[in-house]
Amino acid sequence: EAQVTQNPRYLITVTGKKLTVTCSQNMNHEYMSWYRQDPGLGLRQIYYSMNVEVTDKGDVPEGYKVSRKEKRNFPLILESPSPNQTSLYFCASSSPGTSSDTQYFGPGTRLTVL
Amino acid sequence: SQQGEEDPQALSIQEGENATMNCSYKTSINNLQWYRQNSGRGLVHLILIRSNEREKHSGRLRVTLDTSKKSSSLLITASRAADTASYFCATDNYGQNFVFGPGTRLSVLP
Repeated sequence: EAQVTQNPRYLITVTGKKLTVTCSQNMNHEYMSWYRQDPGLGLRQIYYSMNVEVTDKGDVPEGYKVSRKEKRNFPLILESPSPNQTSLYFCASSSPGTSSDTQYFGPGTRLTVL
Repeated sequence: SQQGEEDPQALSIQEGENATMNCSYKTSINNLQWYRQNSGRGLVHLILIRSNEREKHSGRLRVTLDTSKKSSSLLITASRAADTASYFCATDNYGQNFVFGPGTRLSVLP
């Protein structure tokens, strides 16, 4: 089954404790992206990747890191989480070639930073 | 950034009625897409319309795009309770990042 998986689905952590949210897709998509969703603000793009070893900042990259060492995986790293990073995070991937096609979304990761 | 903005923010209608949502954006785009999100879940793609298209249909969905006004509309005909969700437009700037609007919350009452 074609899908985007994220882990963990729920995470409660404390300020400053490094964490990684994993994202994996099995559709051989070249384009992958991370979003955060906050009430009233919709989805805001954090980082995106057009291909392996190619990443770029979205609209809200501060406090986040990503890597794309393999085509299927695109982990989101919070080196020193802060309470303002409490949010619902979504990973997405899209059809090979460009970012212009349908994005497939993961189920989301609800992160709480105390 | 080329922020998309949906209008209205919230919409309540009766089952069987049509629902219309609008989206405006600021800069040139390659395509515009509409997504649906059920409460707290991942987004599901509904329809994509390219910048050289003016109208597109998919089942009960009809999307229009007016690039001169930088706006799009999503029409859901004969709405059902299962259509209750948030709807987002997203713009793609020629292979760069996607930008989503804040969404329209649609409630379809039985």
